[in-house]
Amino acid sequence: GAVVSQHPSRVICKSGTSVKIECRSLDFQATTMFWYRQFPKKSLMLMATSNEGSKATYEQGVEKDKFLINHASLTLSTLTVTSAHPEDSSFYICSATPSGSYNSPLHFGNGTRLTVT
Amino acid sequence: SQKIEQNSEALNIQEGKTATLTCNYTNYSPAYLQWYRQDPGRGPVFLLLIRENEKEKRKERLKVTFDTTLKQSLFHITASQPADSATYLCALATGAGGGNKLTFGTGTQLKVEL
Repeated sequence: GAVVSQHPSRVICKSGTSVKIECRSLDFQATTMFWYRQFPKKSLMLMATSNEGSKATYEQGVEKDKFLINHASLTLSTLTVTSAHPEDSSFYICSATPSGSYNSPLHFGNGTRLTVT
Repeated sequence: SQKIEQNSEALNIQEGKTATLTCNYTNYSPAYLQWYRQDPGRGPVFLLLIRENEKEKRKERLKVTFDTTLKQSLFHITASQPADSATYLCALATGAGGGNKLTFGTGTQLKVEL
């Protein structure tokens, strides 16, 4: 149980275009989902907390107008990288826990490798 | 400043030996600490959670200790196997009032050799 599906797994886009990444909890509802970014051989950096039905909470230094997060249902959060540039190329990973769980492990998707050319 | 550091970026050990990974943190007071495994190109997978009032936790060949005075957690894999080769990440609960917000350490890449 507790499977998180992330789509697409890889995407290549041209500079200036926007890319949407989906994160779905397949067998549980998630009021909160988290979006992380990971550079090669580096740790995961939390970008934002996605809250169902309300605005996302962004970490310091993360541009909310650049990384748009929408959490329209209890099983889906999306991250849109707007006007992508080569420096946005990275591995983006989402995670979630079942609604109502507290101090619990996170269940991660398998990440999206974004390459901006 | 707040930091979560894992002892070494890479650790090579021989099959059958015990691997010991270290996670040290400063300027945090986490209610619990977690360890994850990450394989290349994949998302992290949860392994163990230990709470601040617990000293030790075990699961099969894995053992985690948590010393809130030293601000350190040790992660042990006994009878290591090549299949244990992966990056291991420690993570602290850093959300206000608890919750599920995690901050991750720098990671240790473990390689178990035949």
